[in-house]
Amino acid sequence: ILNVEQSPQSLHVQEGDSTNFTCSFPSSNFYALHWYRWETAKSPEALFVMTLNGDEKKKGRISATLNTKEGYSYLYIKGSQPEDSATYLCAFLSQGAQKLVFGQGTRLTINP
Amino acid sequence: DVKVTQSSRYLVKRTGEKVFLECVQDMDHENMFWYRQDPGLGLRLIYFSYDVKMKEKGDIPEGYSVSREKKERFSLILESASTNQTSMYLCASQRPHLGGNTIYFGEGSWLTVV
Repeated sequence: ILNVEQSPQSLHVQEGDSTNFTCSFPSSNFYALHWYRWETAKSPEALFVMTLNGDEKKKGRISATLNTKEGYSYLYIKGSQPEDSATYLCAFLSQGAQKLVFGQGTRLTINP
Repeated sequence: DVKVTQSSRYLVKRTGEKVFLECVQDMDHENMFWYRQDPGLGLRLIYFSYDVKMKEKGDIPEGYSVSREKKERFSLILESASTNQTSMYLCASQRPHLGGNTIYFGEGSWLTVV
């Protein structure tokens, strides 16, 4: 079974501060990496789908980088706001696989 | 707006009951999935389907079955509910070409088995 690790498991950040967290995945047979944001009582929603080594994607104050050779992706949030409070999930797909493997998530809480 | 709808948000069932969790998507997606979410364990795949009447086991299929009679509908069935199936269940759908396409999730169904 493939191992996808996210760290830290939880994080408390002061409003206005920037933060980042990590998704680690196997460095061989990479095909794609997904990031999702899951707010309480809502559906998880897609942030990014990344497929190329060195890829960097941005959506407002949130950005992500991808290093497939060393097997990690970083998610950055600049100037955190209370609405950024959510669980952030990454999901890894290896070549030839039929299903995504999700990490356990990073639970982010923004303190006003 | 794309929509994945899970018909039951909160259910309480007795041990041994047969339970149906229904999921409908309006995006004409081929791929559909059922996951369960438990604290500390992340999202775990129960079953998935790439086409009507087609199903594949995920990582934790024991105690579950599924039905996909129509493209838009994917049902999860607990033949005889047990307390260890108390969990939050998420349905999802996706266009083909798994890697490059995002997954769209429902809002989840909270099942308690007593």
